[in-house]
Amino acid sequence: DAGVIQSPRHEVTEMGQEVTLRCKPISGHDYLFWYRQTMMRGLELLIYFNNNVPIDDSGMPEDRFSAKMPNASFSTLKIQPSEPRDSAVYFCASSPDTDAGSGYTFGSGTRLTVV
Amino acid sequence: GENVEQHPSTLSVQEGDSAVIKCTYSDSASNYFPWYKQELGKRPQLIIDIRSNVGEKKDQRIAVTLNKTAKHFSLHITETQPEDSAVYFCAASKGGSYIPTFGRGTSLIVHP
Repeated sequence: DAGVIQSPRHEVTEMGQEVTLRCKPISGHDYLFWYRQTMMRGLELLIYFNNNVPIDDSGMPEDRFSAKMPNASFSTLKIQPSEPRDSAVYFCASSPDTDAGSGYTFGSGTRLTVV
Repeated sequence: GENVEQHPSTLSVQEGDSAVIKCTYSDSASNYFPWYKQELGKRPQLIIDIRSNVGEKKDQRIAVTLNKTAKHFSLHITETQPEDSAVYFCAASKGGSYIPTFGRGTSLIVHP
């Protein structure tokens, strides 16, 4: 398996534009997580899905952020409109249904810069 | 919900010294405590974990200790090497499915 695949690796956009980040989880994993990483706040959980259903979106900062998982092999995180303070590295992670972290795998991340 | 505090935020040591990173958690139901290492520009990766029925676990130069009563756990790295330089995250999770709550991370710098 190629692991968790995120695209794009880097995204530079202008303030006010819509940004869409993409994630392909590991096949067979039941859980998918979206995180935002900044120096100030560390690794923040934004939302997670179980079997394509959003379970907890309490970490989504504002209505400008939305996430979908239309099927087991694809998820998107959308920011509309984007703002400079959204600049961060966004990680996707997937996990099998387990109580341990051995299968929990992060993607390589998307570095978002909003100018 | 669970809250995980991690200290220090930055740790600078000389090669060969030991390094200790500490975390506290708030939810007494948490029973699984992993540690992740994130090298510069890369993804976090699991390096060691411990369950609540164990007080200490060791893997070569790294070890983790857990004090359930005090609700804190620590990562110990002995004989540090420059390649240990990275950001380390602790996390806590409770029963059922693995839904980790992460600490804010510790940037470890090992000077040659």
